[in-house]
Amino acid sequence: DTAVSQTPKYLVTQMGNDKSIKCEQNLGHDTMYWYKQDSKKFLKIMFSYNNKELIINETVPNRFSPKSPDKAHLNLHINSLELGDSAVYFCASSQGAGGPVNEQFFGPGTRLTVL
Amino acid sequence: GENVEQHPSTLSVQEGDSAVIKCTYSDSASNYFPWYKQELGKGPQLIIDIRSNVGEKKDQRIAVTLNKTAKHFSLHITETQPEDSAVYFCAASIRGYQKVTFGTGTKLQVIP
Repeated sequence: DTAVSQTPKYLVTQMGNDKSIKCEQNLGHDTMYWYKQDSKKFLKIMFSYNNKELIINETVPNRFSPKSPDKAHLNLHINSLELGDSAVYFCASSQGAGGPVNEQFFGPGTRLTVL
Repeated sequence: GENVEQHPSTLSVQEGDSAVIKCTYSDSASNYFPWYKQELGKGPQLIIDIRSNVGEKKDQRIAVTLNKTAKHFSLHITETQPEDSAVYFCAASIRGYQKVTFGTGTKLQVIP
């Protein structure tokens, strides 16, 4: 059983296009995240949702819009893609919010290439 | 906000030797320090963590130490094996706030 899954695994697209990445977790966790990992392997949080509510929103361009239809899903939509958006995007989930920080479980990543 | 620095960026060791990765953090309110291992083509995976009420924690060949006064913490891997080769990330977080700030990563290569 896959704990945190992402689709697609690879995404190649042209500048200016709009694309979405989907994430699902079957761990029953309350909190989900999107991270961006650039070519130097820097791992930076973008967003976090707890029970469908946005709780972390880092300095991310408005072109990025997360959506959480339910607590098991967190999707990422990107408008007007730019070359600098090329990276690996990881979804993650963890149990709880507001108390002790818990282990985050990461998905396999989506490698986005913008041409 | 929190800033986590990690050194070295790359580390090569002979199989069987020990490896040490060091991190420093800036926010004295941070009290949770996880370490993640990322294998090629995969997402990071937690290997060990430590909370601020302890100074050291060990799990088989892996140990973490924490010095809250100096605001630094370290990962020690003993008897390294080729399967330990990966990118390792330290991180820091504050209780009650689910944001985890990651270090810049250390690429560990264990040479057979």
